[in-house]
Amino acid sequence: NAGVMQNPRHLVRRRGQEARLRCSPMKGHSHVYWYRQLPEEGLKFMVYLQKENIIDESGMPKERFSAEFPKEGPSILRIQQVVRGDSAAYFCASSPRSSPPLHFGNGTRLTVT
Amino acid sequence: TQLLEQSPQFLSIQEGENLTVYCNSSSVFSSLQWYRQEPGEGPVLLVTVVTGGEVKKLKRLTFQFGDARKDSSLHITAAQPGDTGLYLCAGDVGNTDKLIFGTGTRLQVFP
Repeated sequence: NAGVMQNPRHLVRRRGQEARLRCSPMKGHSHVYWYRQLPEEGLKFMVYLQKENIIDESGMPKERFSAEFPKEGPSILRIQQVVRGDSAAYFCASSPRSSPPLHFGNGTRLTVT
Repeated sequence: TQLLEQSPQFLSIQEGENLTVYCNSSSVFSSLQWYRQEPGEGPVLLVTVVTGGEVKKLKRLTFQFGDARKDSSLHITAAQPGDTGLYLCAGDVGNTDKLIFGTGTRLQVFP
């Protein structure tokens, strides 16, 4: 029974490059959430998706950030033209319904140099 | 903007001591979860509380949801080094579709 799988675990990008973070939810889960965590801080909500739909992106920066959850395949969080301030741990969580509790992956740690 | 404040922010104690972590908000939550996160890993769900005044126990951990469903506490009895980690509360407002996380309490238990 695989949990939420995120890859890569660590990602290093230079300023201006693109970062793609992938998340495969738990089997049977059609609701995906992305959160960002800075060192020594809690998790900040970014976006909530269901299959092929963005339900709530109120926590996502308006520029450079986008997310998708296609009918087939993992959910993708894409950050274009990364800047140093994008360095953080990005966590994906899934749920079988549009309510908690959420099951989290082990995150992708993005470092922008 | 809903805000969940946790206190204390940091806690260092000796093995065997008791401790309480608080999670407070001015918002009413449909449910509240407690998670524990270890370095390099994602948060792991400990408990969900739903009813005002509800108390749940998980071995040496006791969770309480406030009567007004605005606050919660986590009490650990006879802490052990294995309890070390970041404890996060998270609230579900109900009319939104996301969990709001607290500011976190970082616990270190020394042997």
